[in-house]
Amino acid sequence: AQSVSQHNHHVILSEAASLELGCNYSYGGTVNLFWYVQYPGQHLQLLLKYFSGDPLVKGIKGFEAEFIKSKFSFNLRKPSVQWSDTAEYFCAVNGAGANNLFFGTGTRLTVIP
Amino acid sequence: DGGITQSPKYLFRKEGQNVTLSCEQNLNHDAMYWYRQDPGQGLRLIYYSQIVNDFQKGDIAEGYSVSREKKESFPLTVTSAQKNPTAFYLCASSRGLDSYNEQFFGPGTRLTVL
Repeated sequence: AQSVSQHNHHVILSEAASLELGCNYSYGGTVNLFWYVQYPGQHLQLLLKYFSGDPLVKGIKGFEAEFIKSKFSFNLRKPSVQWSDTAEYFCAVNGAGANNLFFGTGTRLTVIP
Repeated sequence: DGGITQSPKYLFRKEGQNVTLSCEQNLNHDAMYWYRQDPGQGLRLIYYSQIVNDFQKGDIAEGYSVSREKKESFPLTVTSAQKNPTAFYLCASSRGLDSYNEQFFGPGTRLTVL
């Protein structure tokens, strides 16, 4: 069965610090990978996605993620966080051609001004 | 504005009562989904629908029911058979069930069963 692990439950950073949130998945076939973000009081929205091609994908607001197939990982990064990045971040995966989107448990990021 | 609306934002019900959560989208999307979000557990799929009058069970469908009589609407009923109904419920839609389609989410309904 597919599963997604986000080992960091709560991350606290100061502004301008670098960010890396871990995401590991278990699935034997071709996968599509997503990062969603939920800002306080707002809808869950797509941050970035990977289907194929360049394993380093860039999303909105300066975020990027790298797909490392050998490690079954899709870690989210940002070189310098801002207070406005405070949110909950969800990694999600589905098998290519599959209907279900599997979500990780989420990582809450708090950025201190 | 195109988007997904869910109502109400907060809902309180007594134990043993059925309750229906509304989800409407004006994005002209074919596929719609219901997720449940619990603290520390992420999002779990309850039901999904590819087209009108068709829907499929997700991972945690027991105690829930849905209907899809119109393309724009996908209401979720939380029945008295659901053992732990207090949760945050999210509705989503996408152009199709193809795995490459981005899912767009509504603002959610927080259900509390007293």
